[in-house]
Amino acid sequence: DAKTTQPTSMDCAEGRAANLPCNHSTISGNEYVYWYRQIHSQGPQYIIHGLKNNETNEMASLIITEDRKSSTLILPHATLRDTAVYYCIVRAMTTDSWGKLQFGAGTQVVVTP
Amino acid sequence: KAGVTQTPRYLIKTRGQQVTLSCSPISGHRSVSWYQQTPGQGLQFLFEYFSETQRNKGNFPGRFSGRQFSNSRSEMNVSTLELGDSALYLCASSPAGTGYEQYFGPGTRLTVT
Repeated sequence: DAKTTQPTSMDCAEGRAANLPCNHSTISGNEYVYWYRQIHSQGPQYIIHGLKNNETNEMASLIITEDRKSSTLILPHATLRDTAVYYCIVRAMTTDSWGKLQFGAGTQVVVTP
Repeated sequence: KAGVTQTPRYLIKTRGQQVTLSCSPISGHRSVSWYQQTPGQGLQFLFEYFSETQRNKGNFPGRFSGRQFSNSRSEMNVSTLELGDSALYLCASSPAGTGYEQYFGPGTRLTVT
């Protein structure tokens, strides 16, 4: 699986958009980009995933560059409840990896008033 | 729809004992994955079950085992507990066959003394 690189931490002002970068320069054609977050003392929460097109849901938007070597998770209007560790995960759709997510260290996002 | 439930939420065991943790997935989800989370190692994949069969396994010793029942409920067992097994054990269920869009439970906090 392709490795991902994320900043260790970032701050964001409440009400502003939070743009979380992820680098995955060795991504393969069959690998998807997934984002999860973990609020302190809770289980991780699925946010969004994509292959090559930009995706949007009620929580966030995912922008994947044309060469697919990097992506950005956008939280349009950050709230204090968005303070969490955000994980960018790259996964291939192969049978030996089904159901298996490999979490890195993630980005600690702190939303401040 | 009810979320993923895990029981018990907290557990204290003594070295050498064994423990069984239970996970009830979201109704209709057939894939269940287990993870261990510690401050030092982060989130690590233990194993994944789909339709009562273990499809993937992480790099954990044989003391860690699991199973899935016909109603998709899952249990994991840790035998001969060691101090290093103290961790948050998370269960996640997935609606899709590939098991990547995972919905996590609150976890079971295991303390080994």
